[in-house]
Amino acid sequence: RKEVEQDPGPFNVPEGATVAFNCTYSNSASQSFFWYRQDCRKEPKLLMSVYSSGNEDGRFTAQLNRASQYISLLIRDSKLSDSATYLCVVIPLDRGSTLGRLYFGRGTQLTVWP
Amino acid sequence: SAVISQKPSRDICQRGTSLTIQCQVDSQVTMMFWYRQQPGQSLTLIATANQGSEATYESGFVIDKFPISRPNLTFSTLTVSNMSPEDSSIYLCSVVIPSKDEQYFGPGTRLTVT
Repeated sequence: RKEVEQDPGPFNVPEGATVAFNCTYSNSASQSFFWYRQDCRKEPKLLMSVYSSGNEDGRFTAQLNRASQYISLLIRDSKLSDSATYLCVVIPLDRGSTLGRLYFGRGTQLTVWP
Repeated sequence: SAVISQKPSRDICQRGTSLTIQCQVDSQVTMMFWYRQQPGQSLTLIATANQGSEATYESGFVIDKFPISRPNLTFSTLTVSNMSPEDSSIYLCSVVIPSKDEQYFGPGTRLTVT
């Protein structure tokens, strides 16, 4: 089983739509959670951290459900510029010899059309 | 965040040759990593670049194929040795911001092996 699994996508939505991505993780001892955004042919960029209490940054809301071991990202009022691949990232508590190792999901592709 | 640069940004190399990729950070960081992202795939950790000691490699990656140097806290190199077309990929370095668990990525080096 993969450490991190994401919605397969792709998601194609009109401008102004609300879209949600889910991600599940297998290691219940996972400690830190993030959403990254990756534009075509660019490096991943940190979009937001995911806190236990949930957090919001403008049109973006991230939530964590530890009991069910999933993370979600909600984008409201989608813009054309939101088109990208969204990567779910988990850092396990038990890092072994690789301190700081990130586990990436395969990513969910979002296309917002006018 | 940290400002990370990589050189070269892209290269086309012949089978059997080697390429060294440089990663420079604008501040001292303890933890630096090298990732690979093959077409259509998510990121795979190659190794952790340790300052003053040998790199720590992930399963499936070996020092003879991917030698890494880390002479100081702001610089690292990754060499892709004896290249084959299967090594065609984007190679990214990343750094961890202390106490935040947040990782930032360089712009990547797009390698094509013919």
